[in-house]
Amino acid sequence: DIQMTQSPSSLSASVGDRVTITCRASQGISNSLAWYQQKPGKVPKLLIYAASTLESGVPSRFSGSGYGADFTLTISSLQPEDVATYYCQKYNLVPWTFGHGTKVEVK
Amino acid sequence: QLQLQESGPGLVKPSETLSLTCTVSAGPISSSSYYWGWVRQPPGEGLEWLGIIYYSGTTYYNPALESRLTMSVDTSKNQFSLNLYSVTAADTAVYYCARTEGIAESNQYFRHWGQGTLVTVSS
Repeated sequence: DIQMTQSPSSLSASVGDRVTITCRASQGISNSLAWYQQKPGKVPKLLIYAASTLESGVPSRFSGSGYGADFTLTISSLQPEDVATYYCQKYNLVPWTFGHGTKVEVK
Repeated sequence: QLQLQESGPGLVKPSETLSLTCTVSAGPISSSSYYWGWVRQPPGEGLEWLGIIYYSGTTYYNPALESRLTMSVDTSKNQFSLNLYSVTAADTAVYYCARTEGIAESNQYFRHWGQGTLVTVSS
């Protein structure tokens, strides 16, 4: 099975900072990667699919990139409401594995 | 507006069977266009993909749980279900049902999620 390694596991940044989260697949997965945001006590929310396509209604400060095995989620200017845990998920072949998550906090 | 709602016991005894149902509103589960799935999240931990089911009954399971897991679909009730057998405390989690955006590989992400239901395994 393909494993998804997310890093870092947590980060703390200031409002306005650029934040980058990476997700690496143990094998190539084309662009079959989604990013989810989960705020404390809430349901995961789709942010990005197909590695770089922004879900409707998601602020443009979020962006995704990558292809094959290496992917990145970027928040261009961190806002207080972005405090959450972010998960990547690959969906090219079953099982559809999630990364272990990156907890983002604001300093 | 598509809605998914999980239901089932909030407390299950060790070694027994965890059974959950997801009721789908505002859209037929018999559509050939989607997969229906389950994801769980132990308290304070990350998301774990459990499996998916197609309206025809075709299933794909997480290999780590395959020996204890079955999923089914009831098109007459617009529901799909999960049974997890021989549970232990490690199966304590919030269980989410969800729907993919399509069945093509390019659409197999979860856009729609239920609110989740906490199931505790304890005697």
